[in-house]
Amino acid sequence: DVKVTQSSRYLVKRTGEKVFLECVQDMDHENMFWYRQDPGLGLRLIYFSYDVKMKEKGDIPEGYSVSREKKERFSLILESASTNQTSMYLCASSLTIFRAGGYTFGSGTRLTVV
Amino acid sequence: EDKVVQSPLSLVVHEGDTVTLNCSYEVTNFRSLLWYKQEKKAPTFLFMLTSSGIEKKSGRLSSILDKKELFSILNITATQTGDSAVYLCAVEGLLEYGNKLVFGAGTILRVKS
Repeated sequence: DVKVTQSSRYLVKRTGEKVFLECVQDMDHENMFWYRQDPGLGLRLIYFSYDVKMKEKGDIPEGYSVSREKKERFSLILESASTNQTSMYLCASSLTIFRAGGYTFGSGTRLTVV
Repeated sequence: EDKVVQSPLSLVVHEGDTVTLNCSYEVTNFRSLLWYKQEKKAPTFLFMLTSSGIEKKSGRLSSILDKKELFSILNITATQTGDSAVYLCAVEGLLEYGNKLVFGAGTILRVKS
């Protein structure tokens, strides 16, 4: 089974801290995604990546950046955490563009910024 | 702007009832529509639909897509308390270098015993 592993289930950080959320997948997927999930808003795409060192902004990239130095790892960075970034963060990966679907999600990181 | 709208936002039913969840979409370069069930953690995959009018079934769950009217429905018959979850609809759009999922807000289903 494809596994997408997010390094932390729960995180509590202070306002202004730099926060790193890590995601690793083990099936050589090319596409990786970061979403945040908030009640009533569903999952919203923050950033995605089609390949190593490639990144594209999603729908809500403000306040975030990403890094993909290796194919299996996609990191989400909160440059200066704010309370409105308190949310559940989900990482996902998928196969190439030549096959529809095939997304696998990590278990999520619930981040609280105080 | 791509969007996916799910209705109702929440639903409470009794065990044994049948429910229908709705999903309408406007997404550029449609590739597929996916349904997920989310309990406490990661969304788990239910169905992927790419062709109109072909029903997909898995036990008591079924789903169908209408690409002309741009919507899909998810049916659950003889509901059980274990069906209580958030049901997410997502539409995949094909971009130049890859694909992207756009999610709806989800339908919260609660099944009472």
